[in-house]
Amino acid sequence: EAQVTQNPRYLITVTGKKLTVTCSQNMNHEYMSWYRQDPGLGLRQIYYSMNVEVTDKGDVPEGYKVSRKEKRNFPLILESPSPNQTSLYFCASSLRVDRGHNYGYTFGSGTRLTVV
Amino acid sequence: AQKITQTQPGMFVQEKEAVTLDCTYDTSDQSYGLFWYKQPSSGEMIFLIYQGSYDEQNATEGRYSLNFQKARKSANLVISASQLGDSAMYFCAMRTASGGSYIPTFGRGTSLIVHP
Repeated sequence: EAQVTQNPRYLITVTGKKLTVTCSQNMNHEYMSWYRQDPGLGLRQIYYSMNVEVTDKGDVPEGYKVSRKEKRNFPLILESPSPNQTSLYFCASSLRVDRGHNYGYTFGSGTRLTVV
Repeated sequence: AQKITQTQPGMFVQEKEAVTLDCTYDTSDQSYGLFWYKQPSSGEMIFLIYQGSYDEQNATEGRYSLNFQKARKSANLVISASQLGDSAMYFCAMRTASGGSYIPTFGRGTSLIVHP
């Protein structure tokens, strides 16, 4: 089944304890992205990657790191989590976008992170 | 800059009736794609429908149709014959070729409640 797999689904952690949220897709998608969703703010992009070893900042990159060493994986790293990073996180992927063809995202199931 | 506006924070509809969720967008790009996603209470993001800027006909997917009015820059989602399972958050999104990165922009969402 074509899908984006995020783990874990739920995570409660303490301030300052490094954590990684994994994301893997099996559709050979070039484009991958991380979003956070907060009430009233919609989805805001954290980082995105257009292909292996190519990553760039989105709208809210502070406090996050990513890497894209393989095409299928795009982990999100919080080196020193803080309570304001409590949020619902989504990983998403798509094919490379060409003019005239604009591919929608496939989203992972989300990771609900609480930092206390 | 790209922008998506969803002006209806919440909508109510009677089961089996049709409902229109509004979405307006702003972009200077000529090539772009418009999407609608559904987010039920379980949290996952479900792709519903896509409209390309060069598509001459309105997109349809089962009970979903996209009322695309290019001159007015609107991309309203029409759900026909609402069902109780349609109760969810709905997000409008746009993807353009701005800067070559094709970063999607999401609206803040509309909460739809379907009454029996």
